[in-house]
Amino acid sequence: EIVLTQSPGTLSLSPGERATLPCRASQSVSSSYLAWYQQKPGQAPRLLIYGASSRATGIPDRFSGSGSGTDFTLTISRVEPEDCAVYYCQLYVSSTWTFGQGTKVEIK
Amino acid sequence: QVQLVESGGGVVQPGGSLRLSCAASGFTFSTFGMHWVRQAPGKGLEWVAFIRYDGSHKYYADSVKGRLTISRDNSKNTLYLQMNRLRGEDTAVYYCAKAPNIGYYFDYWGQGILVTVSS
Repeated sequence: EIVLTQSPGTLSLSPGERATLPCRASQSVSSSYLAWYQQKPGQAPRLLIYGASSRATGIPDRFSGSGSGTDFTLTISRVEPEDCAVYYCQLYVSSTWTFGQGTKVEIK
Repeated sequence: QVQLVESGGGVVQPGGSLRLSCAASGFTFSTFGMHWVRQAPGKGLEWVAFIRYDGSHKYYADSVKGRLTISRDNSKNTLYLQMNRLRGEDTAVYYCAKAPNIGYYFDYWGQGILVTVSS
């Protein structure tokens, strides 16, 4: 079983700062199967990135994804107050879909 | 636009049963795979089950195998989750989510429905 680890659990940033959210897989995986979601309080998750680096429809270009092998990153180039949320990475392997435990982004 | 609306949640005793429904609109339901994903209070996301567009293949998380059953009725544009032998750890908000045409992620989500297992 492949485990996704997201650390730190919380990032506290000021508006305009760059946010770097890591997601590490316990073994090498295909980047085609790695996605990122944003979940704001009281809301359903929203797809941000699929295939490790492709932005979903309507997602602002300040959100970007990168990585390969075991290490993947979601970057928010300039954090805005509306980006306050929990961000999850997600992986597909062998008919199983797995989420990381999430990183909470707080805006100072 | 894609809409997914869950219903059927509520409070159920341990060992009891419940059936969730997810009404889909805004896309050709019969041509897309569908998922159930859950989130326990204050916790992260957990994938529960997937069903292929035609219902021919179903996959489950180990934590729910043998107790929860995913199904669909393409004539009614509706996804179901039959939940039997419920346990306290099944307490969660349950989301239905649409799979894309190509790819292994969740491109649209419902608003979620709360299931509470408690005596």
